Amino acid sequence: DMKVTQMPRYLIKRMGENVLLECGQDMSHETMYWYRQDPGLGLQLIYISYDVDSNSEGDIPKGYRVSRKKREHFSLILDSAKTNQTSVYFCASSFSGQGYEQYFGPGTRLTVL
Amino acid sequence: GDSVTQTEGLVTLTEGLPVMLNCTYQSTYSPFLFWYVQHLNEAPKLLLKSFTDNKRPEHQGFHATLHKSSSSFHLQKSSAQLSDSALYYCALSLITGNTGKLIFGLGTTLQVQP
Repeated sequence: DMKVTQMPRYLIKRMGENVLLECGQDMSHETMYWYRQDPGLGLQLIYISYDVDSNSEGDIPKGYRVSRKKREHFSLILDSAKTNQTSVYFCASSFSGQGYEQYFGPGTRLTVL
Repeated sequence: GDSVTQTEGLVTLTEGLPVMLNCTYQSTYSPFLFWYVQHLNEAPKLLLKSFTDNKRPEHQGFHATLHKSSSSFHLQKSSAQLSDSALYYCALSLITGNTGKLIFGLGTTLQVQP
């Protein structure tokens, strides 16, 4: 069963704390993505990873960094979280066929106080 | 540059009436379009996608036709159901060499009322 997982599902942090969001997929997809979703702003692309240690900035990378050391695992890191990083974060993965059709994880709801 | 436009932020209609959600795009190359649906507190999931052989994709009563002449991929359904209430995203595949991503529209919230 093709699946993208995310941990944790809910997270509350204080401003200035570090945050680690984790994503896994069992489909051996080369490409993985991190998005954030805010009301009225749609899905905003933070980072793309084309494979292990091959990452590129998306549209809103400021304040975020990523790590991909295994094809099936992609992490999003917030160093010193800010209140405006409160959002729902989605991870997705895709393969190169079928126009890069994406499969999404269930999301992580992050609150930064 | 390549882009996707969904003109309606919110569409409200009565159960049983037809649905049409607009999607237009600008694409440098031959387009590959998707519709994703996101129910409340869930992840976006693929609803349907365009085909290259001019077949009309259909899923769960929804269909969409890719019209290259008008750069559109509108989502339609003949009769709305309460369970269709959700956020709908239109997306365009952007492929550069051997890498790719989807460009999403801002989304249209569909509210179906009894």
